[in-house]
Amino acid sequence: EDQVTQSPEALRLQEGESSSLNCSYTVSGLRGLFWYRQDPGKGPEFLFTLYSAGEEKEKERLKATLTKKESFLHITAPKPEDSATYLCAVQSGGYNKLIFGAGTRLAVHP
Amino acid sequence: DGGITQSPKYLFRKEGQNVTLSCEQNLNHDAMYWYRQDPGQGLRLIYYSQIVNDFQKGDIAEGYSVSREKKESFPLTVTSAQKNPTAFYLCASSIGAPPYNEQFFGPGTRLTVL
Repeated sequence: EDQVTQSPEALRLQEGESSSLNCSYTVSGLRGLFWYRQDPGKGPEFLFTLYSAGEEKEKERLKATLTKKESFLHITAPKPEDSATYLCAVQSGGYNKLIFGAGTRLAVHP
Repeated sequence: DGGITQSPKYLFRKEGQNVTLSCEQNLNHDAMYWYRQDPGQGLRLIYYSQIVNDFQKGDIAEGYSVSREKKESFPLTVTSAQKNPTAFYLCASSIGAPPYNEQFFGPGTRLTVL
């Protein structure tokens, strides 16, 4: 069974304190791994798609990496506005179904 | 501006009532999806549609129904058969054809059963 596990569940950082969020997955044939940001009471906002092991993508203070078993979302020198829940999802199989992890709640304090 | 709209933002339902959640997109996407989000859980797929006049059940379709009569619209009806409908409902769309698999989400509808 396809499965996605995100860790930690919650993370508290001081402003400027870099860290990483983890997304471990087991799927039969990865077609893509997706990272989203979700603010409270809002819909998820698309961040990155990764397709193959070794691939990396960056956007401002965020960098996503992918191995055969997991993905990391690295946050460099975070700011309070980076506080949100970060969701990871994987796609496998013959149609566009996404399987989501439960998310990591990130709080960045000044 | 291109995007996905959902209405209403908040919805209250009495037990035994059916309610319909609206989802409209002007991105010219072929595929549309409905997810349910509960606290501490990942998004779970209710229904999806890859093309007009066609849709398939997701992982938790019991107690829900959909229609796809227009490319732009994918309404979700929460029926009285859904045992625990209180949740945050999210609609999404995607181009539908690989390699463009990214799904883009609407702002969500929070449904509360009184």
